[in-house]
Amino acid sequence: DGGITQSPKYLFRKEGQNVTLSCEQNLNHDAMYWYRQDPGQGLRLIYYSQIVNDFQKGDIAEGYSVSREKKESFPLTVTSAQKNPTAFYLCASSLSDRAGEQYFGPGTRLTVT
Amino acid sequence: DQQVKQNSPSLSVQEGRISILNCDYTNSMFDYFLWYKKYPAEGPTFLISISSIKDKNEDGRFTVFLNKSAKHLSLHIVPSQPGDSAVYFCAARPGGSGSYQLTFGKGTKLSVIP
Repeated sequence: DGGITQSPKYLFRKEGQNVTLSCEQNLNHDAMYWYRQDPGQGLRLIYYSQIVNDFQKGDIAEGYSVSREKKESFPLTVTSAQKNPTAFYLCASSLSDRAGEQYFGPGTRLTVT
Repeated sequence: DQQVKQNSPSLSVQEGRISILNCDYTNSMFDYFLWYKKYPAEGPTFLISISSIKDKNEDGRFTVFLNKSAKHLSLHIVPSQPGDSAVYFCAARPGGSGSYQLTFGKGTKLSVIP
């Protein structure tokens, strides 16, 4: 059945290490997104991609990088330059003509110590 | 500067009664509004949306009302059920089908008491 998968559900890293979060979708959606959620906060957009090989920065892109080599995949790398990387990361996708209705994955809880 | 505000962090409602969740926005360019529901440690799920050309949209127990002049929208859940207990996020995006950026509020935690 169709959906968005994120792996792993929980991820632990030492400070100073880069870490890549996986996001895969089989909904045939053109657009994909990465959000970050902190306690008591709404979702904040990190990066989004409208089509393969193209992506744009969201509101909080500093310290993150992405790639979009395949339609189905949009991995997010949290680099050592991200000052507060511990958070809940959510990936989403949407049809390009219905960009408001985004479908979310289950999320990855990243803890950096 | 918060462009989408949900001023009530939490709300408790008795089962069977109406739940009303509120959302205010400041950006006049927003023309499409959505509500998402989120359970702990899961991704949000889309609930209902409304375009700025409408003032009401219904889907079963869920109704969203939009007051453009007041820059205010609300989600009504009638009747409320214990399974509705979750965090509800209001979101908005600017006009144009190519606009991809949703701006989310901080969420309201709804507790429906049996």
